[in-house]
Amino acid sequence: DGGITQSPKYLFRKEGQNVTLSCEQNLNHDAMYWYRQDPGQGLRLIYYSQIVNDFQKGDIAEGYSVSREKKESFPLTVTSAQKNPTAFYLCASSIWDRGLGELFFGEGSRLTVL
Amino acid sequence: GNSVTQMEGPVTLSEEAFLTINCTYTATGYPSLFWYVQYPGEGLQLLLKATKADDKGSNKGFEATYRKETTSFHLEKGSVQVSDSAVYFCALSRKNSGGGADGLTFGKGTHLIIQP
Repeated sequence: DGGITQSPKYLFRKEGQNVTLSCEQNLNHDAMYWYRQDPGQGLRLIYYSQIVNDFQKGDIAEGYSVSREKKESFPLTVTSAQKNPTAFYLCASSIWDRGLGELFFGEGSRLTVL
Repeated sequence: GNSVTQMEGPVTLSEEAFLTINCTYTATGYPSLFWYVQYPGEGLQLLLKATKADDKGSNKGFEATYRKETTSFHLEKGSVQVSDSAVYFCALSRKNSGGGADGLTFGKGTHLIIQP
């Protein structure tokens, strides 16, 4: 079945450690996105990529890094510079569209910093 | 910049009640508008969308009409069920100067609880 796969679903890390969240899609979508979700704050855009080997900062990119070496994959690294990394992270993708903007989401990865 | 404001929750209703969740937006140009639903521990699923003024999106008994004059996209359902309990997000498209989409801007979400 076509879709977006995020892994791991749950992740624990110690302060000062970097961690990488995986996102893979087989929808043949050009654009991919990372959002962070915190209780009562909705979703905030971290990074997005509209094409392979190119990506742009979203609204809260500080402390995060991404790469887009393949169309299917858009991993997110949460670095030790991210001051409050405990959150639910959602990956999404969309076609390179005319602005319809419909996003398809993975099931999320919950990161807890101990 | 673009923003979405939706009513705070939780909203608690009895089964078969009428539902309205308000959503208003601020945007330049003509964004597309969306309602997404999130069940506990899961990602977001598209519920419905509208791409231009006066369009009505509908799905699973839910409806919302794109009102440009009031910059609103309120979600309604005539008779809710316990299975409708979830968090609902209103969103609008973020278009860039090149005509492509930069993802969506989301409201903070409204937690809906339906009691039997």
